Amino acid sequence: AQSVTQPDIHITVSEGASLELRCNYSYGATPYLFWYVQSPGQGLQLLLKYFSGDTLVQGIKGFEAEFKRSQSSFNLRKPSVHWSDAAEYFCAVPSSGGYNKLIFGAGTRLAVHP
Amino acid sequence: NAGVMQNPRHLVRRRGQEARLRCSPMKGHSHVYWYRQLPEEGLKFMVYLQKENIIDESGMPKERFSAEFPKEGPSILRIQQVVRGDSAAYFCASSADGTTNEKLFFGSGTQLSVL
Repeated sequence: AQSVTQPDIHITVSEGASLELRCNYSYGATPYLFWYVQSPGQGLQLLLKYFSGDTLVQGIKGFEAEFKRSQSSFNLRKPSVHWSDAAEYFCAVPSSGGYNKLIFGAGTRLAVHP
Repeated sequence: NAGVMQNPRHLVRRRGQEARLRCSPMKGHSHVYWYRQLPEEGLKFMVYLQKENIIDESGMPKERFSAEFPKEGPSILRIQQVVRGDSAAYFCASSADGTTNEKLFFGSGTQLSVL
């Protein structure tokens, strides 16, 4: 069965520092992979997605993620974090069925120190 | 073009009461999904509906929970005889079609608190 693991529950970084949020997945075939961000009191916003092709995916707000099949990972990165990036980040894969029934990881809460 | 609209934003109910959560999808979207987020957890799929049809309700609790998406009007998630364990954030999402590569748009959620 498909599953997603986000090993880090909380991460704190200083503004301007680089960021990497980890995501490991279990999926039967070539996966579709998503990263969403949830700001306080808000719904989820899609940051980026991987379907096929180039394993380095560019997203909004300066984020990128790299699909590594050998490691079953899809880690999210940003070279320089801004205070406004403080939020909760969710990695997701689709469940079986071929439609938008997503399985989310438990999330990583990012705090940014000035 | 308004996004996915959910109301109310906050809903307080006493144990045993009914909760009705409403979701208006984005204009032109006929596919609606409901997810539940328990404290300190990720979102969990509940139900997928198209207009007047329930496509997949595999994530819905077997009792007290129901969902509809009528031909006219918003989608409704209904919870009867609420219990404290129903306290959670309930998110609605919509898409133009149901395929995985079609972008999913989320509402801001309804925070249900059961006293």
